[in-house]
Amino acid sequence: DQQVKQNSPSLSVQEGRISILNCDYTNSMFDYFLWYKKYPAEGPTFLISISSIKDKNEDGRFTVFLNKSAKHLSLHIVPSQPGDSAVYFCAAIRFNQAGTALIFGKGTTLSVSS
Amino acid sequence: DAGITQSPRHKVTETGTPVTLRCHQTENHRYMYWYRQDPGHGLRLIHYSYGVKDTDKGEVSDGYSVSRSKTEDFLLTLESATSSQTSVYFCAISEISPVKWYEQYFGPGTRLTVT
Repeated sequence: DQQVKQNSPSLSVQEGRISILNCDYTNSMFDYFLWYKKYPAEGPTFLISISSIKDKNEDGRFTVFLNKSAKHLSLHIVPSQPGDSAVYFCAAIRFNQAGTALIFGKGTTLSVSS
Repeated sequence: DAGITQSPRHKVTETGTPVTLRCHQTENHRYMYWYRQDPGHGLRLIHYSYGVKDTDKGEVSDGYSVSRSKTEDFLLTLESATSSQTSVYFCAISEISPVKWYEQYFGPGTRLTVT
């Protein structure tokens, strides 16, 4: 059973508008949530994170919101830029012997047109 | 950028042959991970290591083994490759620190094709 779900495989947005990527999870024991960005032929790179005790974290154009009661988080990108076009993975951590082993969603491909 | 390299970057092999992928880090991080990425599945954890000679299974470990004889190297072996192991393999590292303990750094990936 998938513990982290990204139900939208793709999203298309115009440059300058807001991009909203969504993620749902099933395990209430997760300690931290992260968003990774991935370009073709490269490894994923860390974008932004949020602790399970917070409900919002902001970093420049990127904001992540966490709704624990709904087990839902979202990544907002404002304003969207063509360089933001990539695959975005939502991931969760439950810290244990495996350290920070990540549980990933399937990813959402964001396309930002100019 | 974190010092993580993977070799080879691309490999084509035949069904039934053994294959070893190498991950090398220069960051002296304690934790190392192998993930595979497949369309429709995101990234899934194969095996991980929490120290030299300390390894354990992840979500999709069947058909894979790992070894870590040095802090800097983490090897992933497919004992007898199958077509279902055609994938892109990513190595990642992390360290437990007071700041950003949660962050993992990924290598560039190895594209493996089993024919």
